[in-house]
Amino acid sequence: AQSVTQPDIHITVSEGASLELRCNYSYGATPYLFWYVQSPGQGLQLLLKYFSGDTLVQGIKGFEAEFKRSQSSFNLRKPSVHWSDAAEYFCAVRAGTALIFGKGTTLSVSS
Amino acid sequence: DGGITQSPKYLFRKEGQNVTLSCEQNLNHDAMYWYRQDPGQGLRLIYYSQIVNDFQKGDIAEGYSVSREKKESFPLTVTSAQKNPTAFYLCASRTGQAHGTEAFFGQGTRLTVV
Repeated sequence: AQSVTQPDIHITVSEGASLELRCNYSYGATPYLFWYVQSPGQGLQLLLKYFSGDTLVQGIKGFEAEFKRSQSSFNLRKPSVHWSDAAEYFCAVRAGTALIFGKGTTLSVSS
Repeated sequence: DGGITQSPKYLFRKEGQNVTLSCEQNLNHDAMYWYRQDPGQGLRLIYYSQIVNDFQKGDIAEGYSVSREKKESFPLTVTSAQKNPTAFYLCASRTGQAHGTEAFFGQGTRLTVV
């Protein structure tokens, strides 16, 4: 069955430090992968997506993610975190017509 | 502006009552979805619809019902059969034209049973 695992429930990063959020997926065919961000009480905003081709994809707000088929991973990175990046981050895989989401990683940013 | 509108933002329900959450989109998207979000649970799919007058159950459809009479609208009814309806509900839509397109989300409705 298709699934998405985000191993880290909560991460705290100092402002200006680099960030990596992990995502592992289970899907038999070519995966379509997404990262979304959610501020408290709000909907989800797309950060970036991977369909095919270049395994390093760039997104909004300075985020990037690397698709590694051999590791079934799609980790999200940012070189320098800003306080406004504090939010909940969701990785998702397209399975049929619907998206399957991981349980999310909450990012806190310390000053 | 194009987008997805969910209403109301906050909704309170007495036990035993049915309530309907509204979701409207003007993006001309074919597919629409309802997700339920609970703390630490991520998003779980309730129902989805790929075309007008057709919809399918997701992973947690029990206690919920939907309709898709118009392309723009996909209301969700939380029935009295739903044992634990207090949650944050998110509606999304996606064009059905290509496999790789992303879903766009509304701002959510927080339902509380009182």
